[in-house]
Amino acid sequence: KQEVTQIPAALSVPEGENLVLNCSFTDSAIYNLQWFRQDPGKGLTSLLLIQSSQREQTSGRLNASLDKSSGRSTLYIAASQPGDSATYLCAAQNEKLTFGTGTRLTIIP
Amino acid sequence: NAGVTQTPKFQVLKTGQSMTLQCAQDMNHEYMSWYRQDPGMGLRLIHYSVGAGITDQGEVPNGYNVSRSTTEDFPLRLLSAAPSQTSVYFCASSYRLAGIGELFFGEGSRLTVL
Repeated sequence: KQEVTQIPAALSVPEGENLVLNCSFTDSAIYNLQWFRQDPGKGLTSLLLIQSSQREQTSGRLNASLDKSSGRSTLYIAASQPGDSATYLCAAQNEKLTFGTGTRLTIIP
Repeated sequence: NAGVTQTPKFQVLKTGQSMTLQCAQDMNHEYMSWYRQDPGMGLRLIHYSVGAGITDQGEVPNGYNVSRSTTEDFPLRLLSAAPSQTSVYFCASSYRLAGIGELFFGEGSRLTVL
């Protein structure tokens, strides 16, 4: 059974810093790995999807990497802004999609 | 540009009552699914559908029914609500069969069962 872990559960950083969010998964036979953003009281918004054959994906200030052999993915956020404050979830797709419990990110102005 | 629309956003039920959470998408997605989100447990799949007339159980299906009569709609029914079903429910859809692709989520329905 796939298990997805995100550590830490919460993170606070000053505005302008670069930061890395971590995601680990136990079953490496995945189709893809997705990163989502969730704002309080809202649904999830897809940020990046990395196919199993890819090593990374980039969108603006976001860069997600995937290392299937070690069961890890990272989300790198460059030059963080207060608007980046949200909960970030990763999800690993095998036959079904398994979510982590998320990292709550706070950017301090 | 509606995307995935869920109604109602909030609902309070008494134990034993029934209700239906509505979900509609206007992106012609074949795959639709329902998740529940509980503190510390992540999102868990309740039921899913890979096309009109086809539904299947997810991780936590007990106490819930679904149907898929059209591509656009995927309602979730609680037949006899229990306090354990207090949660936030999300509907999600994907353009690829079996959901292997980018998922689009609704804004959620917060259900409280007293």
